[in-house]
Amino acid sequence: EAQVTQNPRYLITVTGKKLTVTCSQNMNHEYMSWYRQDPGLGLRQIYYSMNVEVTDKGDVPEGYKVSRKEKRNFPLILESPSPNQTSLYFCASSLSGGYTEAFFGQGTRLTVV
Amino acid sequence: ILNVEQSPQSLHVQEGDSTNFTCSFPSSNFYALHWYRWETAKSPEALFVMTLNGDEKKKGRISATLNTKEGYSYLYIKGSQPEDSATYLCAFLNAGGTSYGKLTFGQGTILTVHP
Repeated sequence: EAQVTQNPRYLITVTGKKLTVTCSQNMNHEYMSWYRQDPGLGLRQIYYSMNVEVTDKGDVPEGYKVSRKEKRNFPLILESPSPNQTSLYFCASSLSGGYTEAFFGQGTRLTVV
Repeated sequence: ILNVEQSPQSLHVQEGDSTNFTCSFPSSNFYALHWYRWETAKSPEALFVMTLNGDEKKKGRISATLNTKEGYSYLYIKGSQPEDSATYLCAFLNAGGTSYGKLTFGQGTILTVHP
C-alpha cells in the first residue's frame, strides 16, 4: 500500500532532550516536507527537500534540523526541544517538485514540557 | 512569508446547499495551487493540483477554478452532504528564486454541513 509513515504518533518529552521523528515513504517520491499545525495558524512548512541531499528551509525552520540521505526517509530532528515546539507535525511527500499532489503521514503529536 | 488567504474562515450550511470558498495568493512567481480536504483526526487529502490560468477541475460534486493573473482560486461544492464537513485548505507553490519549491498553506475554511 502506498503510504507515508511517521513515528512516533504521540510523544511527550522534556525541554532540551534531543528527539527525532521519522518519516518514510514507499512511493519513490522526490519531494518530501515537514509541517507543523497550530490552532489558528494552519499548516506551516518547516523544511522541504526536492531530492536526495537537497534540503531547504520553509517558513518556520528555527529549532529544527532535517536530512535526506536516501530518497525514502526524511527525519525531523529537534536538537533541544522547547515548549513552543509543542505541536502537531505532518510529513508529506509528492512525486516531484511539489507540483503534484502531496500525500501526508498520520501526524505526530508532540508535547514538550 | 507569503500571504495565502482563505475566506470565509468557517461556514455552516444545510444539507443540499451549494457553497463556495476563496483562496487568494500572490500573482507573481506562481507554480501551482493545491486544494486539500482535511477531516478531523485524519490527515489532509489532496483534491486538486492546478497549474494553468483558467484551469477548471472537477471531482464528483467538488470543482475548482484558477485565476493566476489576479491571484485567486474558488472551490465549489454542489449539493453539500454532512460527509463534506471538513477543513478545506489551499496551498501556493512558489516558483521564485530561493523560494522555489516552497509550499505555503492558507489557514483553511472550516465547513460544517447540517443534516
